[in-house]
Parts: sequence; C-alpha cells; structure tokens
Amino acid sequence: QVQLVESGGGVVQPGTSLRLSCSASGFTFGYYAVHWVRQAPGKGLEWLGLASHDGTIQHYAISVRGRFTISRDNSKNTLYLRMDSLTYEDTAVYYCARYWDYVNDYWGQGTLVIVSS
Amino acid sequence: QPVLTQSSSASASLGSSVKLTCTLSSGHSDYSIAWHRQQPGKAPRHLMKVESSGSYNKQSGVPDRFSGSSSGAARYLTISNLQSEDEADYYCETWDRKSLHVVFGGGTKLTVL
Repeated sequence: QVQLVESGGGVVQPGTSLRLSCSASGFTFGYYAVHWVRQAPGKGLEWLGLASHDGTIQHYAISVRGRFTISRDNSKNTLYLRMDSLTYEDTAVYYCARYWDYVNDYWGQGTLVIVSS
Repeated sequence: QPVLTQSSSASASLGSSVKLTCTLSSGHSDYSIAWHRQQPGKAPRHLMKVESSGSYNKQSGVPDRFSGSSSGAARYLTISNLQSEDEADYYCETWDRKSLHVVFGGGTKLTVL
C-alpha cells in the first residue's frame, strides 16, 4: 500500500538549519510530484512547496521561498526539505504528500519540528 | 490566486447528515477541489475530489456515507449517518493554474453531538 514516512524532526534553536526526509513506498515514486505541507499548533494546513516527479522543477510558497529547499532522490524513493534560518514561527508538524490528478491523495504521518531556545 | 472559504465550525447529531461548504473566490468557480479529513491527533486523509460539474471521485476505502456535489462556486461534502469518528477537521484544497501553488481552506471543525 502507499506509504509516506517523514523523519528528521526535533527541537532546534532559532537561526539553525534542519533537513527533513520523506521516505516513500508502495508506488513508483518517480512518477509523482510530491508536496510539503505544515501545520502549526492549533492552526490549519499551510502549503510549503513541491518537487516535480523528476525533481527538475520546484515551486515554493512565498512565506518560505529563499529559506526552504525541496529536493528528491528517486533512486532512494526519498523527498527532502532543507530548512534554513529557522524561527519560532516554523514550529509545526511537517507532512509530505503525494500529488496526483491535482490532489494531495496520500499523506505521511508527519514529523514535529520545535524551534526553541 | 484562488481563495477557499470554509465555515470555522459545524455540528450535527449522531446518525444525522451534515453538508460542509467550501467556496471558491470570484473568477475561480470552474475549479475542482479536494476534501481532506483530519481526525484529532492524526494526519490528514484525502476523501475525494469534487469537480465543478458536481461529479466526485472518492479515495479508495472512503465509506459510501460520504458524497460530494457543486453549485456555482460552492463545493460540498455531505456526510450521512454521522458516526463519532467523523468528528474531525475538514479541509478543502485546490491549486492555482497560473502559479501551480496549492491552496487550502481554513478548515471546518465538525462536532458530532
């Protein structure tokens, strides 16, 4: 079955960097675009960006453009999110989601990032 | 880019039906949307895609109690025979054809009484 598993979250200090991973299984990873979405505590869903199926195209939300970088390694069935210059406002659960027919149709369980001094 | 508007909350009794609404902003009434359910403490789960025509395509495993429909710029999610596990946050999603960015509605918190 389709499975997406995020990892790499934790407690980090403001101004530092962190890289999250999203490991995919149960489908041909290289056929699909994949998105990153986050959810701050008690808030709604916020789209962060996407990587095209082959990783050659990325799009980012204005709120994170220039600080976050999305990449993927199709040989490892893995999507990455590198986050730089983290602030308290980046505290959230981070989800990856498979994109098909203009819909995020499968979601990972999320990984929690806490930015705290 | 499109904006999706949802009521912040809704409530209905166990065993009854409820219709949740997601409204597209002006100029985007021909867009399709997706519905996702997020139960407390869990990740979102995709439910269905709803087209402007009113047709909908459910994710595998979504019960028959869930259906979708459309009217103008509004997209609906109807849940029949409400169960306790339907108490959750429901989000709609669409994408901007120009920027290719994804947009989420603010979510509706459904309480099952």
